[in-house]
Amino acid sequence: NAGVTQTPKFQVLKTGQSMTLQCAQDMNHNSMYWYRQDPGMGLRLIYYSASEGTTDKGEVPNGYNVSRLNKREFSLRLESAAPSQTSVYFCASSDQDRGWYGYTFGSGTRLTVV
Amino acid sequence: DQQVKQNSPSLSVQEGRISILNCDYTNSMFDYFLWYKKYPAEGPTFLISISSIKDKNEDGRFTVFLNKSAKHLSLHIVPSQPGDSAVYFCAASAAGNQFYFGTGTSLTVIP
Repeated sequence: NAGVTQTPKFQVLKTGQSMTLQCAQDMNHNSMYWYRQDPGMGLRLIYYSASEGTTDKGEVPNGYNVSRLNKREFSLRLESAAPSQTSVYFCASSDQDRGWYGYTFGSGTRLTVV
Repeated sequence: DQQVKQNSPSLSVQEGRISILNCDYTNSMFDYFLWYKKYPAEGPTFLISISSIKDKNEDGRFTVFLNKSAKHLSLHIVPSQPGDSAVYFCAASAAGNQFYFGTGTSLTVIP
């Protein structure tokens, strides 16, 4: 029972490079989310997808793009990485149609931009 | 501006005693609240929730209290165990929309 799987777990980028963080869930959840965690800032929502085919901006969307590839997969792309994007990124999913059980989070991607 | 605040970055408690973690929020439209627990190198895991129609919810050793007039919620862990040592996040939502998370409180339970 994998839950939410994120790849890669660690990544170092040079300023200006691009990369895509992958996320997949196997719980048949409708909604998926990307958060970043920074010291003293808690978890902040970057983008979310309430259902397949829809995406919306969260609190801190600048510098990111997302793709809801299908019901299972939700990717986060950094087109031109900046040091300010050094953070731990978490993907999460939820299924509010079945009542509220909270989000299921992946184990995170630790990204360093140098 | 931070809509959900956890003003204590860290807390140390002796094993067997009560741990009380606090959370304040500013948005009066928030009507659903969650607590998450996070171990190092893992994602947060759901712990307990409470809706605004209640003022208390219990699940084993964990109890969450909600004081809507004060815009304050707290998580009580009784008795505290060393395995409870983790970072705890509170989160709040209005009408099932996106959740806003606090900055976390690192709990250390001393054996």
